[in-house]
Amino acid sequence: ETGVTQTPRHLVMGMTNKKSLKCEQHLGHNAMYWYKQSAKKPLELMFVYSLEERVENNSVPSRFSPECPNSSHLFLHLHTLQPEDSALYLCASSQAGQGNYYEQYFGPGTRLTVT
Amino acid sequence: GEDVEQSLFLSVREGDSSVINCTYTDSSSTYLYWYKQEPGAGLQLLTYIFSNMDMKQDQRLTVLLNKKDKHLSLRIADTQTGDSAIYFCANQEGGYQKVTFGTGTKLQVIP
Repeated sequence: ETGVTQTPRHLVMGMTNKKSLKCEQHLGHNAMYWYKQSAKKPLELMFVYSLEERVENNSVPSRFSPECPNSSHLFLHLHTLQPEDSALYLCASSQAGQGNYYEQYFGPGTRLTVT
Repeated sequence: GEDVEQSLFLSVREGDSSVINCTYTDSSSTYLYWYKQEPGAGLQLLTYIFSNMDMKQDQRLTVLLNKKDKHLSLRIADTQTGDSAIYFCANQEGGYQKVTFGTGTKLQVIP
């Protein structure tokens, strides 16, 4: 048990659908992340939330919209996705700060298929 | 931006040593990490090394860092079938939000 849970584990959606991915961490961390994992590509950081700031990768399309209502919950809202958005979406959490090492704790991921 | 590169696949026989390599471009690294991803699971931290160190050993794992060449390696001694997984290298440039991951190397252990 990693302490980071994600739902749903699998999702199939059409290009005109709207859906949301949910992540919850039970570790008392104050930073949460969304990553996209595609075959043969580097693990791509999409968004980071902490108490002080939100950091986003400028290459992430606007059809992905994150929401972080508190330090334990993170959502990724999806709308009008494209087939190339099919991937494994991973959530992670860690402590936030500067200069130290930060272990990220990952959830099992949501396998998204866009048809 | 920062790039972290790894080969995609490595196959070894059970009992042999495995060496997984990683190169990175940013010279302002603070920490470098190795994560392991087993099938159907998220990534889990295996080990890390501070950028001022050359080597770190932890049981069957040995991490070597060559800062001059920006090269990081993970050696697994006496590789077992349970070591079959994807191994990710990651480079931290500053704070918690500046960690760049590679593509992952899929390690296949042949019995």
